[in-house]
Amino acid sequence: GENVEQHPSTLSVQEGDSAVIKCTYSDSASNYFPWYKQELGKGPQLIIDIRSNVGEKKDQRIAVTLNKTAKHFSLHITETQPEDSAVYFCAASAGGTSYGKLTFGQGTILTVHP
Amino acid sequence: DTAVSQTPKYLVTQMGNDKSIKCEQNLGHDTMYWYKQDSKKFLKIMFSYNNKELIINETVPNRFSPKSPDKAHLNLHINSLELGDSAVYFCASSQVTGRETQYFGPGTRLLVL
Repeated sequence: GENVEQHPSTLSVQEGDSAVIKCTYSDSASNYFPWYKQELGKGPQLIIDIRSNVGEKKDQRIAVTLNKTAKHFSLHITETQPEDSAVYFCAASAGGTSYGKLTFGQGTILTVHP
Repeated sequence: DTAVSQTPKYLVTQMGNDKSIKCEQNLGHDTMYWYKQDSKKFLKIMFSYNNKELIINETVPNRFSPKSPDKAHLNLHINSLELGDSAVYFCASSQVTGRETQYFGPGTRLLVL
């Protein structure tokens, strides 16, 4: 089955700095890679996703890159703000063949210091 | 309006009891899921239903039984609760199975004493 490794487990940055979280996956059939943000006491919320037919996607301060050959994908947050502090999860899915099953990474606790 | 809702939000109970968690989505989605998040924040899928039909059943003790009365609802019943069942349980839904965004509910925090 799919295995997703996420690093680092904790990340501390100063406000305005960039933050990068990296994930690797094992199943070459995986073709959908979402990133979720989980704030304290809440459910995970999708912030950005990327499909296997593109290498990069941006949405304002957030970007995701995908390297299918190396089986890794990364989340980039620029100009971090204190409200970006949360737990971030990457995930991978093999799409229809997996019936939408998402395999999550272990999570990264991001702390942005004012 | 709440997209995916769960009740109760908190559940404290004794070992050996039976309890249920309810989930409802008003997004018109065809697929619903149950995830378990342990104390280390690790998220793992338990079950998935598509149009009331079970399509994913991970290695979960048979004390856990999902039930989908219609495609807007997916409930989780747990028999003979054990200490290790303490976790946060999240319901989620997506438009179709496959490469579609999954929307998560707020979670049910279960504590077994």
